[in-house]
Amino acid sequence: DGGITQSPKYLFRKEGQNVTLSCEQNLNHDAMYWYRQDPGQGLRLIYYSQIVNDFQKGDIAEGYSVSREKKESFPLTVTSAQKNPTAFYLCASSPHRDIWESGELFFGEGSRLTVL
Amino acid sequence: GENVEQHPSTLSVQEGDSAVIKCTYSDSASNYFPWYKQELGKGPQLIIDIRSNVGEKKDQRIAVTLNKTAKHFSLHITETQPEDSAVYFCAASRTSGTYKYIFGTGTRLKVLA
Repeated sequence: DGGITQSPKYLFRKEGQNVTLSCEQNLNHDAMYWYRQDPGQGLRLIYYSQIVNDFQKGDIAEGYSVSREKKESFPLTVTSAQKNPTAFYLCASSPHRDIWESGELFFGEGSRLTVL
Repeated sequence: GENVEQHPSTLSVQEGDSAVIKCTYSDSASNYFPWYKQELGKGPQLIIDIRSNVGEKKDQRIAVTLNKTAKHFSLHITETQPEDSAVYFCAASRTSGTYKYIFGTGTRLKVLA
């Protein structure tokens, strides 16, 4: 089945450690996104990528890094510079804007990161 | 910057009653307004959307209305069922330029049996 797979589902990290969250999609979508979700807040955009080897900062990019070496993959690294990394992280994808008739974002099931 | 305000943050209704969730957006260039449903431990899924050239759209028990002048849009769920219990997010986006969505803060809907 086509979809977006995020892993791991749950992750614990000690302060000062970097951690990488995986996001893979087999929908043949050009665009991919990372959102952060905190209780009582909407989804906030961390980074997005419209095409392979290109990505842009979202609203809360500080302390995070990404890469887009393959169309299918958009991993997110939460670095030790991120001051409050405990959150639920959601990856999403969409077709290229030129053919994006529906406007729909397709989300993975999320990764919950807890910093101890 | 642009933002989307969503109300209420929590909503409890009796099974069979209607539920209404309201959102107001600030970016007058927004022209696409989706609603997502997020069940516990899952990612959000699109349930309905509306574009700025339409004032209302309906899909079975759910409907969305848009008032461009007032810059607000609403989700209406009729004949609510326990499986409607979830968190609902509204969003606003432009369909040209960047891919940025601005999401509301979410509404936790509880349908009481």
